[in-house]
Amino acid sequence: DSGVTQTPKHLITATGQRVTLRCSPRSGDLSVYWYQQSLDQGLQFLIQYYNGEERAKGNILERFSAQQFPDLHSELNLSSLELGDSALYFCASSVEWGLDTGELFFGEGSRLTVL
Amino acid sequence: AQSVTQLGSHVSVSEGALVLLRCNYSSSVPPYLFWYVQYPNQGLQLLLKYTSAATLVKGINGFEAEFKKSETSFHLTKPSAHMSDAAEYFCAVSGKMKTSYDKVIFGPGTSLSVIP
Repeated sequence: DSGVTQTPKHLITATGQRVTLRCSPRSGDLSVYWYQQSLDQGLQFLIQYYNGEERAKGNILERFSAQQFPDLHSELNLSSLELGDSALYFCASSVEWGLDTGELFFGEGSRLTVL
Repeated sequence: AQSVTQLGSHVSVSEGALVLLRCNYSSSVPPYLFWYVQYPNQGLQLLLKYTSAATLVKGINGFEAEFKKSETSFHLTKPSAHMSDAAEYFCAVSGKMKTSYDKVIFGPGTSLSVIP
């Protein structure tokens, strides 16, 4: 158990819909990262937050947005969903934005299926 | 910019044989390097990491990796494969930048199969 909690574990929805994925980082971790994993794209970095502020952005679509709340949990919002958004979405946390230890702790992921 | 390549998207070894998973990186700053493992239906977990200390790094489950700056490589090895090693392995790089914040870049992954 990594200590990172993601909900829901599985989600099935239709094209055009909007979903919210939730992540609770390990106790004490200030940084949260979101990754998308699909068969054709591999593991893609989406976005990073540190203590409530956006720190780094990767290949995140404009239809996607995220935020980190004062209690440090994070939400990833996916809107106007397309078939190609079907993937496993991982949240990871780490202690410092500087990644001095370099270790990311991953949740078990949220599997999104868009029909 | 940083990037990671992993040679071989799929590697098969016999049980008891040497495991060698290749990773090459590109980084404009001194890198931190990692190997993560993903078992079926699970998240990624850290196997080992290089953070500019010893170049030969030992990790969990008998794995080790050697940082070779001249070759920009960080290959993962294990002397004797076990059935439980079957998983997806990801090499990753991060590093402190002058003008942007750190983030971890993952390679495409190598799927390891162990044949009884």
